[in-house]
Amino acid sequence: GENVEQHPSTLSVQEGDSAVIKCTYSDSASNYFPWYKQELGKRPQLIIDIRSNVGEKKDQRIAVTLNKTAKHFSLHITETQPEDSAVYFCAASSGVDSSYKLIFGSGTRLLVRP
Amino acid sequence: KAGVTQTPRYLIKTRGQQVTLSCSPISGHRSVSWYQQTPGQGLQFLFEYFSETQRNKGNFPGRFSGRQFSNSRSEMNVSTLELGDSALYLCASSPLAGGFNEQFFGPGTRLTVL
Repeated sequence: GENVEQHPSTLSVQEGDSAVIKCTYSDSASNYFPWYKQELGKRPQLIIDIRSNVGEKKDQRIAVTLNKTAKHFSLHITETQPEDSAVYFCAASSGVDSSYKLIFGSGTRLLVRP
Repeated sequence: KAGVTQTPRYLIKTRGQQVTLSCSPISGHRSVSWYQQTPGQGLQFLFEYFSETQRNKGNFPGRFSGRQFSNSRSEMNVSTLELGDSALYLCASSPLAGGFNEQFFGPGTRLTVL
């Protein structure tokens, strides 16, 4: 079945350093790849997404890259700040015709040390 | 616009009982997806409803069911509760297809099965 693997499960970085989270997906028909951030005790919120016709997308300190051939995509956070500490989830769309669902990775707990 | 709301926020049940969770999407959103969140498992897709029709279903037993009303509000029902059903249940709404667009999550209902 459809599957999204996410690594690492935990990541600790020094404030100001970069953080990279990687995901691989199994459904070659996947064409939408969002990233969600979930702070402790709060609901997940979309931080960036990318569609299959784009290889890279940036939004200030956040960037996502997509390699459809290898079926993997990555989240890059530069100049990390303590408020970036949270759990990050990648996801990939999976389905047929107009009926898609999001398959989420198991999450990465990012800790930014001041 | 008001965000996605879920009721109740907390629920304690015993094994064998059944439970109904409610989700009110953002006004104008037609898609409601449900997810089960457990530590280490990320967000597991349960099902998606769009215009009162179930469009997609995850790999959960038939004890998990749902429905959507004409005002897009959605309910999820779990019958014959098991200890393993203890989790945070999140719903998310989207203007169009949930698997291909940003999803807006509710605060979740934390279900504890004793």
